[in-house]
Order: sequence, then structure tokens, then C-alpha cells
Amino acid sequence: DTAVSQTPKYLVTQMGNDKSIKCEQNLGHDTMYWYKQDSKKFLKIMFSYNNKELIINETVPNRFSPKSPDKAHLNLHINSLELGDSAVYFCASSPNPRGRVLGGPNTGELFFGEGSRLTVL
Amino acid sequence: AQSVAQPEDQVNVAEGNPLTVKCTYSVSGNPYLFWYVQYPNRGLQFLLKYITGDNLVKGSYGFEAEFNKSQTSFHLKKPSALVSDSALYFCAVKFSGANNLFFGTGTRLTVIP
Repeated sequence: DTAVSQTPKYLVTQMGNDKSIKCEQNLGHDTMYWYKQDSKKFLKIMFSYNNKELIINETVPNRFSPKSPDKAHLNLHINSLELGDSAVYFCASSPNPRGRVLGGPNTGELFFGEGSRLTVL
Repeated sequence: AQSVAQPEDQVNVAEGNPLTVKCTYSVSGNPYLFWYVQYPNRGLQFLLKYITGDNLVKGSYGFEAEFNKSQTSFHLKKPSALVSDSALYFCAVKFSGANNLFFGTGTRLTVIP
């Protein structure tokens, strides 16, 4: 069974279009994330949701809008796509609920999806 | 400023030789340190972590890492490299009070047959 699954795996689209990437986790985790990996393989946090509540919102253009209908899903919608949006987007989840004291049995490792490669032409 | 660094973009090692992939960090407070591996066209896979306790941490696929507080390092090691270990390795740190991991820039390991 796939623990963190993302769709689509590949997405090729034209500049100016709007697209969405979906993520689902069946691990029962409370926290989900979106990371962006650029062409140099740098990984950068974009958003994090804990139990449907936005807890991290890094400096990301407001063309990017995450949506969490429930704690098992975190989707990423991108409006007016630009060439610079081309990247691999990774969804991840972790068992750390917000407010739990760090150092307990679940201390932060993330479980990643396989990534969604977005190419904007 | 809090940060994590991987000083080597590329590490080449002959099959059967020991390998080391370096990671240093700068944090206030006690860090939580992680290593992940990324194979081509795949997501990141967790290898091991240091939270507290024994400085030598053992993880998946025969890898281990040593937490060195005085040198603020958390180098990844394996006694005998396999060709199948060739991949991109990321060191990550969870800063005190943060909810997410901050990743280093990655080190590409190539094991030469």
C-alpha cells in the first residue's frame, strides 16, 4: 500500500494555465507538507498543514494555494503558471501533531510521496 | 542563524570502500538531525535520525551516522559501499520550535564498480 501518494506524477502545461496536484496519505498522520525541489535539487518547504490548519506558509507567490479538505489530504493549486514554477513538488506527512513536546516517540521524520514533476512550457 | 550544510556536492567512492557524506549544522538548542536518500525519479526515503542518546545512530541499508556536538556535525557513514548506494543524500535538521525539516543542499554519491 502506498503511504503518501501524489497525482499526477508528471504534468506538462502551458504558461498561464491553472493546475492542481493532489496528495493523500493513509498513515493517519496529522501533519502534511508541500516541498519544492528545483532543478539543482534544492528542497524548500512551501506549506504545512496540521489537521487541516495552515501552520507554515513560506514566502511563496499567492498563485500557490494549498487546500486541505481533511487531514489525510493536502492539495496544491497553482494559478497562472510561470516558467519558473517548473520543478518537482513533493508532498510529505509526519506524525507530529502541533504542540506535542519534541523528543517523544514521534519526533519529526517525514514520509514523502514520489513527487510530481511539473513542466511549464 | 540556524542552518544545515553539506559541503560536498559530489562524493565518489570505489565499491567496497568505506564512505562518508558530510553534514554540519548551526542551531540554537538541541537539534534533531536526519538523513534521507533520494534515488532517481523517486521521493525521499528516511535513513536515520538523531534525537538524543547514543551519538552513533544506525539506520537503514547498513548506514550509520555520528552526532558530534563539539564539531556540530552529523556525518553519514557506511563501512563498505555498494553500487546500489549511488543516489542523492540529504541531511536535514528540525530546529527547536519548528514544525518542518530544513534540508541541506544534497550530496550526490557515486559508487564506482
